[in-house]
Amino acid sequence: SAVISQKPSRDICQRGTSLTIQCQVDSQVTMMFWYRQQPGQSLTLIATANQGSEATYESGFVIDKFPISRPNLTFSTLTVSNMSPEDSSIYLCSVLTGLSYEQYFGPGTRLTVT
Amino acid sequence: AQKVTQAQTEISVVEKEDVTLDCVYETRDTTYYLFWYKQPPSGELVFLIRRNSFDEQNEISGRYSWNFQKSTSSFNFTITASQVVDSAVYFCALTSGTASKLTFGTGTRLQVTL
Repeated sequence: SAVISQKPSRDICQRGTSLTIQCQVDSQVTMMFWYRQQPGQSLTLIATANQGSEATYESGFVIDKFPISRPNLTFSTLTVSNMSPEDSSIYLCSVLTGLSYEQYFGPGTRLTVT
Repeated sequence: AQKVTQAQTEISVVEKEDVTLDCVYETRDTTYYLFWYKQPPSGELVFLIRRNSFDEQNEISGRYSWNFQKSTSSFNFTITASQVVDSAVYFCALTSGTASKLTFGTGTRLQVTL
């Protein structure tokens, strides 16, 4: 498995501002993903973070709202832009190591937008 | 399209009872992977098990066991002699193909009381 850290662990932000969430892995991984978990809900994939190229977004998510970077094989950032209260969620990054298809998750970032 | 159904929204049991969490999946792919994750109140998503579509062998790990039946498209999870520490939300998830994107069920909240 991989050790995954996320920063910040939680934050309270004002409407209209942006927050960048960092995801760091202790080893090189093949794939990195960003998920959103709205209060009391299941997880929804936002995008696949591609190393050295633009992220691949799922239906309903756009780059202007959720820009993602992945400069190398161990690090990625997700920005939540122009936030509204509806963006209040837990944001989790996950990684896929090797060919095992076992996907591990970071501890999550709890975001509250007021 | 892929789909994972966890019909049980919430289950309450008394400690030491056995409990089974149901998971039914839909996919058109012949190769796929099924997962169970545990999300305790802290919010972190803990990987429990991965099963590929070619391996229908049931698995036991301590008090946990999993029953995979392709004939009924089910991948059920049983906790034997439940404990208070088992209280959490449990998610079943599915991925197939090379994209490795996880499709999650809506989760089952398990409450174990003394």
